[in-house]
Amino acid sequence: DGGITQSPKYLFRKEGQNVTLSCEQNLNHDAMYWYRQDPGQGLRLIYYSQIVNDFQKGDIAEGYSVSREKKESFPLTVTSAQKNPTAFYLCASSPGQGSFHEQFFGPGTRLTVL
Amino acid sequence: AQSVTQLGSHVSVSEGALVLLRCNYSSSVPPYLFWYVQYPNQGLQLLLKYTSAATLVKGINGFEAEFKKSETSFHLTKPSAHMSDAAEYFCAVGGERGSYIPTFGRGTSLIVHP
Repeated sequence: DGGITQSPKYLFRKEGQNVTLSCEQNLNHDAMYWYRQDPGQGLRLIYYSQIVNDFQKGDIAEGYSVSREKKESFPLTVTSAQKNPTAFYLCASSPGQGSFHEQFFGPGTRLTVL
Repeated sequence: AQSVTQLGSHVSVSEGALVLLRCNYSSSVPPYLFWYVQYPNQGLQLLLKYTSAATLVKGINGFEAEFKKSETSFHLTKPSAHMSDAAEYFCAVGGERGSYIPTFGRGTSLIVHP
């Protein structure tokens, strides 16, 4: 079955730690995205990538970093510089520009800072 | 720039009643419009999409939406609510050249009472 997988489903981080969220897709999509979701705030874009080895900052990129070394993979690192990282993180992909095409979402990772 | 307004952060209906979730958009170009559904602790899933073909768009799970250019609206409806429809619903607008992602609304939580 084609789809997007995110791991882990739940992640706990201590203050000052960097953590990496995994996102893998086997849909052969060029574009991939990371969103952050907080209660009542909808989806906020962190980073997106249209092709391998290229990515752009979204609206709330500070304190986050990404890489896109393979078409299938788009990991997100939440660094210690992110002051309030507790949130639900969603990865998505689309066959072309997300503005024109359906985005396919993973099941999400819930990150909690202890 | 494009924008989306979803009226009502929460909508409550009885099982069997009509579901109406409102979405108004702003766009300087012919819009691409999307409705996504999110069940608790899951990712988003596309319900339906408008791309300038028929103005009445039918989606999954019995939902449909009508594009009304004069009202800049794309409201989501379902004739008879089911308990399983309880979820968060997001409207999104895209279609701008050079814009790689759609603009999401803040979401509407649908509550279904037995």
